[in-house]
Amino acid sequence: GQSLEQPSEVTAVEGAIVQINCTYQTSGFYGLSWYQQHDGGAPTFLSYNALDGLEETGRFSSFLSRSDSYGYLLLQELQMKDSASYFCAVPSRPARQLTFGSGTQLTVLP
Amino acid sequence: EAGVAQSPRYKIIEKRQSVAFWCNPISGHATLYWYQQILGQGPKLLIQFQNNGVVDDSQLPKDRFSAERLKGVDSTLKIQPAKLEDSAVYLCASSLFQLTGELFFGEGSRLTVL
Repeated sequence: GQSLEQPSEVTAVEGAIVQINCTYQTSGFYGLSWYQQHDGGAPTFLSYNALDGLEETGRFSSFLSRSDSYGYLLLQELQMKDSASYFCAVPSRPARQLTFGSGTQLTVLP
Repeated sequence: EAGVAQSPRYKIIEKRQSVAFWCNPISGHATLYWYQQILGQGPKLLIQFQNNGVVDDSQLPKDRFSAERLKGVDSTLKIQPAKLEDSAVYLCASSLFQLTGELFFGEGSRLTVL
């Protein structure tokens, strides 16, 4: 089966940098995805890492270490609108269906 | 490009009643998913369709939940009879390429069972 662990809550101030970690256990690893979900909203895709290293997309970056079964999402220059839940997810066999972590609630303070 | 459409957005029912949710995926997306998201938790996959065939329904409580995807386009998820623990948001998602881990989610249907 698959399991993912991420912190339940993270708090930071506007303009700061925050890192949300995710460790996973899965049979047959394909990659690690990150999603953002605002209260009452739909989850939206942020990034996907299939290979080791850092992927940067604007203020958001995502990192993967397959040997450590670990990844993180890095948010820079935090804004109030970044307050949301962030989920890591892994595709699973047989059809690469996504299994989600329990989510990290990020609160950005003024 | 239109997103994933779901209805109704909200539904309140009594336990043992039935309810149905509808989803229309993004045009051209062959894969459709139904997820259940309980408050404070991550989405949990209920069923995955590839065109109109079921790929994975291992976590679907088949004694009360059913889903279909006729003609490989829109889909319905039904719960009958509902239990209190079915209170959740039911999210529909679709994807074009499964290799990228990118799903497109609808806004969800929030179910409250009293």
